[in-house]
Amino acid sequence: DTGVSQDPRHKITKRGQNVTFRCDPISEHNRLYWYRQTLGQGPEFLTYFQNEAQLEKSRLLSDRFSAERPKGSFSTLEIQRTEQGDSAMYLCASSPDTRQGGVTEAFFGQGTRLTVV
Amino acid sequence: ELKVEQNPLFLSMQEGKNYTIYCNYSTTSDRLYWYRQDPGKSLESLFVLLSNGAVKQEGRLMASLDTKARLSTLHITAAVHDLSATYFCAAINTGTASKLTFGTGTRLQVTL
Repeated sequence: DTGVSQDPRHKITKRGQNVTFRCDPISEHNRLYWYRQTLGQGPEFLTYFQNEAQLEKSRLLSDRFSAERPKGSFSTLEIQRTEQGDSAMYLCASSPDTRQGGVTEAFFGQGTRLTVV
Repeated sequence: ELKVEQNPLFLSMQEGKNYTIYCNYSTTSDRLYWYRQDPGKSLESLFVLLSNGAVKQEGRLMASLDTKARLSTLHITAAVHDLSATYFCAAINTGTASKLTFGTGTRLQVTL
C-alpha cells in the first residue's frame, strides 16, 4: 500500500444522475477526509471520519451528498441528483490518529474529477 | 472561523531569482502545512511546521513559521522551471481533528 487510492479518476455525468466515488486510505490510517476543489481554489473540507464514525460534516455538504466508511477502511462519497455546480475535483486524504504518535500529516489521493454536463 | 490567506496569488519569476510566498492565518493554529499541486494532479506534501520559529528546507524551498504573527513563508531560492506549480498553505484549527483549512494558492510560473 503506497498511498491513498481513489476511483474513478474521472467521471462525466449528466445533470440529475447519481454518482459514487471510492477512496482507499493508507491502511494504518484511522482518519479519512473528503475535500472538494474547484478550479483556481484551494481544497475545501467536506467531511471527516475517525474509523467508521463520521464525526464532522461541512455546511458545504448539502443533503444530496452522503459519505460512508462502513468498516473503517475504504470510504464512499455519493452525490445524488448532480448539478453543474458539483463539477469539481473530489480529493480524499488520510492521516494517522494523534494518539498513535507522530505528526498528523494528511496524505492526499489523486482525486476524482467530476464533470456534470 | 479559521481563515487562511496567501499572497501573491500569481507569481511569474525568472530562473535564478529568489522570491517569497506569504501565508497568513486568522486564529491560533496547531501547525502549518505547505503543499505543491501540479496541474490536474493531487497535492504533494512539502513541509509541516509545528512550532514558533520552525524552519525547514528542502532543495530550493525553505519554509518558516511565526506563530505570534500568524505568518508562514515559503522562500524560493534560485528558481528553476521544475518548480512551476501551485503552492498551497494550510492550517489546522486547534481541536478540529486535523481538518485542514487551505489558502487560495499561489500559482508559480518560472520562466527561462
